[in-house]
Amino acid sequence: SQQGEEDPQALSIQEGENATMNCSYKTSINNLQWYRQNSGRGLVHLILIRSNEREKHSGRLRVTLDTSKKSSSLLITASRAADTASYFCATDTDKLIFGTGTRLQVFP
Amino acid sequence: GAVVSQHPSWVICKSGTSVKIECRSLDFQATTMFWYRQFPKQSLMLMATSNEGSKATYEQGVEKDKFLINHASLTLSTLTVTSAHPEDSSFYICSASFVGGGPIDTQYFGPGTRLTVL
Repeated sequence: SQQGEEDPQALSIQEGENATMNCSYKTSINNLQWYRQNSGRGLVHLILIRSNEREKHSGRLRVTLDTSKKSSSLLITASRAADTASYFCATDTDKLIFGTGTRLQVFP
Repeated sequence: GAVVSQHPSWVICKSGTSVKIECRSLDFQATTMFWYRQFPKQSLMLMATSNEGSKATYEQGVEKDKFLINHASLTLSTLTVTSAHPEDSSFYICSASFVGGGPIDTQYFGPGTRLTVL
């Protein structure tokens, strides 16, 4: 399977704490994207990092990419209860291949 | 901008019947639309890619005679699940992309359709 692996599968934290999710993939990529999915809903695009970039920021989100290790991480700082959702990485070659996802629960 | 809608948002049908799901780009013309399937607590799996006016490209293992995709216009793609069975019960999500739509290869996702086959 080309599907990427994410860890942890589930993460529970308190509001205000940081949440880190990791994604590993198998093939060379054009870019890597992170998406958020609230339960039973569609996906929301969070951030895209190109293969020649190493780090990218967007608000409370920080994404890193290490193409030599074929891995990426998503850091959410100062988490809020509203951040509770599933987060997926997706690698882009000629199509999007989604990772297995991390279910994040942020307790108030 | 770049809103994608799906209809219906949920559907329950009897085994053996066919179900059609619509995916519309509301404020842009989608050059490419994608259909994904997501089982509970699992990731999205790409089923097929369709370009307006041409036949869809199906992923390996996806039966094209069972999952009929029509992309007749730049704003509408439909997925028809023919002779549905309980194992087809899933969350079906479409997405759309267009040239100049933002960061390269950005796909805009619909809210999904939950199909339950009894």
